[in-house]
Amino acid sequence: DQQVKQNSPSLSVQEGRISILNCDYTNSMFDYFLWYKKYPAEGPTFLISISSIKDKNEDGRFTVFLNKSAKHLSLHIVPSQPGDSAVYFCAASPFHTSYGKLTFGQGTILTVHP
Amino acid sequence: GAGVSQSPSNKVTEKGKDVELRCDPISGHTALYWYRQSLGQGLEFLIYFQGNSAPDKSGLPSDRFSAERTGGSVSTLTIQRTQQEDSAVYLCASSRTGGSSYSNQPQHFGDGTRLSIL
Repeated sequence: DQQVKQNSPSLSVQEGRISILNCDYTNSMFDYFLWYKKYPAEGPTFLISISSIKDKNEDGRFTVFLNKSAKHLSLHIVPSQPGDSAVYFCAASPFHTSYGKLTFGQGTILTVHP
Repeated sequence: GAGVSQSPSNKVTEKGKDVELRCDPISGHTALYWYRQSLGQGLEFLIYFQGNSAPDKSGLPSDRFSAERTGGSVSTLTIQRTQQEDSAVYLCASSRTGGSSYSNQPQHFGDGTRLSIL
C-alpha cells in the first residue's frame, strides 16, 4: 500500500527550462509535505516544504504547489541547471498526529542536459 | 561536524551475524529517526526518538531490529541474526522540535550506512 507515489521514475530537461516533478498521496491525514534531493552515495538533502494550510511555497528557483483536493503536490525548478541532476523524493507526514514519521515516494531521477 | 554523522559508511557481513550501526545527530536536535532504503525503493521509516519519550518503533520490520539512544544524543541501530533481505542503506536523520512553525521541522539526513549481507 503505497501512500506516497511518484509515478514518473525519470525526467529529462534542457538547461534553462522548467522541471516539474509530481507526487500524489492517498492518506488524508498527511498535512506536511517535503521535497528532498539525493546524490549518489549521499544522504537526502532537504529542499523545501509546505504545510497543508498553504497551497504554494517558494524558495529561490524552487516552488512547491499543493492541491489538497486532488491530493497532489508538485515541485517546480526554474531555471533548471545541470547541478540539479539528482534523485528527487517527496515525503509526507501527519504532522499533528504522528510528528516526524515521514512516508517517502520512490523518487524521480531528474537529468538536466547542458 | 555540522551535519548528521553515521558510521560505518559501509558494512559487509555474513548472514546470521549481528551488526551495529551508529548515528551522531546534529547538536541541539532532539528528534532522531532511522530509515532504510532498499535497492530501487523509497525510504522506509524504522524508528523515531523524541527527547526522553518512549520511541515510536512502529516501522521496525521484525524483533531482530532494535535501537537505542543514549543520553538523548547518539543512537545505535542493532540488527541481530542478519538476513540477506536486511541488505540496504540505513539512513539516520535528526530535527529540531518545539516552536510553532513548520519551518523548524525538516529532517536532516546523514550519508547512510550501506549494509551488505553475504
